[in-house]
Amino acid sequence: DQQVKQNSPSLSVQEGRISILNCDYTNSMFDYFLWYKKYPAEGPTFLISISSIKDKNEDGRFTVFLNKSAKHLSLHIVPSQPGDSAVYFCAASALALYFQGAQKLVFGQGTRLTINP
Amino acid sequence: DVKVTQSSRYLVKRTGEKVFLECVQDMDHENMFWYRQDPGLGLRLIYFSYDVKMKEKGDIPEGYSVSREKKERFSLILESASTNQTSMYLCASSPKGQHYGYTFGSGTRLTVV
Repeated sequence: DQQVKQNSPSLSVQEGRISILNCDYTNSMFDYFLWYKKYPAEGPTFLISISSIKDKNEDGRFTVFLNKSAKHLSLHIVPSQPGDSAVYFCAASALALYFQGAQKLVFGQGTRLTINP
Repeated sequence: DVKVTQSSRYLVKRTGEKVFLECVQDMDHENMFWYRQDPGLGLRLIYFSYDVKMKEKGDIPEGYSVSREKKERFSLILESASTNQTSMYLCASSPKGQHYGYTFGSGTRLTVV
């Protein structure tokens, strides 16, 4: 069963507008969430994270919102730029997934974001 | 520039072959991970290692094994490759501790024919 779900396989947004990528999770034990960005032929790179004790975290054009009661998080990109075109993965972790100093992450399916000029 | 390096970008192997995927990191990280990425399924954890010679199964370990003889190197082994192991394989590393993100390699696209 997919504990972290990104229900939109793709999203197309006009340059300069806001991009909103969504992620839902089912495991209430998740306490830390991350977003990764992946370009073709490259590995995912870390973008932004949020702890479950917060409901918002901002880093430049990127903001992540967490709604624990709805088990939902979203990534907002404002304004969207052509270089933001990539696949975005949502990931989650929990204390139960922490073993011998190694934190396992559970990833969603990814959303392909295309920014149109 | 800190790195996770995967030795092959593309590999084509025959069914039944033994396949080795190599990963090296230069960040002195304790933890290393192997994931596979498939369309519609995202990234799924195959195995991870938290120390030299120490390994743990992930969510989909069947058909795979791993080796970590040195801290910087983590190998994924497909004992007898099958077509359903055609995938993108991603290696990652992280420091010891909670809430650290991973640093990923560029991936190896493996095709089993």
